[in-house]
Amino acid sequence: QVQLQESGPGLVKPSETLSLTCTVSGVSITSYHWNWIRQPPGKGLEWIGYIHYSGNSDYNPSLKSRVTMSVNTSNKQFSLRLKSVSAADTAVYYCAGEGTPGSYAFDLWGQGIMVTVSS
Amino acid sequence: SYELIQPPSVSVSPGQTASITCSGDKLGDKYACWYQQKPGQSPVLVIYQDNKRPSGIPERFSGSNSGNTATLTISGTQPMDEADYYCQAYGSSTYVFGTGTKITVL
Repeated sequence: QVQLQESGPGLVKPSETLSLTCTVSGVSITSYHWNWIRQPPGKGLEWIGYIHYSGNSDYNPSLKSRVTMSVNTSNKQFSLRLKSVSAADTAVYYCAGEGTPGSYAFDLWGQGIMVTVSS
Repeated sequence: SYELIQPPSVSVSPGQTASITCSGDKLGDKYACWYQQKPGQSPVLVIYQDNKRPSGIPERFSGSNSGNTATLTISGTQPMDEADYYCQAYGSSTYVFGTGTKITVL
């Protein structure tokens, strides 16, 4: 059974760095483009960026200056770092996979992790 | 930046057809997909590449995309279809989500 599981702190202080990890099971980490997507409370979805097992990545231009993604194929994990966070970064963060090349659609999702930015 | 606009809400009676539109500049030139999200749950892909259904998605879900508008249609809407629905496309080097539509089945 394919599963994605987000992990990391649920509370981050303003101006600090948010760090999350997604662990992939039931599918090869080389099979997908791996993405991070977030959803502020009561609001819509926002794509943060993707990373490929090769290390290729791309980020939402609106967040690009603050985002870094990485992948660890041995541990079947990929990670998100978002620096200089503020209250506006409070959201549920999802990891997601784009399984069909060229579909630009996310057919695998983690359960999400709520991250609150507050002192 | 690229934007996708959806109506905030749609109401439908059980058994009737619900349609949600998603508007964006030359959206028909891109692939559109749709997600269903129920409260407290992760989104679920229901349509990809304009009109394809992933395995396990009921046949009552269908999609189309032409011009500036993509449309998700739910035929024979069931109470379990009550949820938020988001369109999504790839444009201007980003994956863009629509503003979201809440479907109420009453």
